Amino acid sequence: QKEVEQNSGPLSVPEGAIASLNCTYSDRGSQSFFWYRQYSGKSPELIMFIYSNGDKEDGRFTAQLNKASQYVSLLIRDSQPSDSATYLCAVSGAGKSTFGDGTTLTVKP
Amino acid sequence: DVKVTQSSRYLVKRTGEKVFLECVQDMDHENMFWYRQDPGLGLRLIYFSYDVKMKEKGDIPEGYSVSREKKERFSLILESASTNQTSMYLCASSFPRQGTAGTPQETQYFGPGTRLLVL
Repeated sequence: QKEVEQNSGPLSVPEGAIASLNCTYSDRGSQSFFWYRQYSGKSPELIMFIYSNGDKEDGRFTAQLNKASQYVSLLIRDSQPSDSATYLCAVSGAGKSTFGDGTTLTVKP
Repeated sequence: DVKVTQSSRYLVKRTGEKVFLECVQDMDHENMFWYRQDPGLGLRLIYFSYDVKMKEKGDIPEGYSVSREKKERFSLILESASTNQTSMYLCASSFPRQGTAGTPQETQYFGPGTRLLVL
């Protein structure tokens, strides 16, 4: 079993819809949880982080964390074609991060 | 802004050559990392370093070594390149304590990547 697993893609949603990206992790000692976005041919960049159980909202993005279920998700509201990218879930502890394989999202106009 | 630079964007080498990939960050970060990224396999950690002259093996260190003589520079060395080391190599750095502008510790800042082709 991988340490960080993301829902298999690719994921395709119409413009304006909600995109839901999911991630589970195996290490209960993990402390910090991140979502990175990676455009094709580019390097990953941080878009959201969350430490505590519950929801965290930033503009059209909402990160959700449930430590009991070892589950992290990212919701993108009002999806735009510019959101088309691969989204990487990362879980951190003891100074390093473990990344999921990524979910590729395509937002169709 | 944090800036992480890598010495080359594209590199073509022959099997058996010794290859050096350089990474430099300008934000005085303690932690630096080397990953490779392959389709279907995600980001895999090769080596990381918490401080000058310190190194730790990641998940796939075989065939690689690293050097960190200065805080800002972290080098990845392929001792004898092989075709299965053809990949995208990404360097990253992070600050182990609370970062600036509210970004959390352990946020990773990535360089632009080096796409290596070994023939």
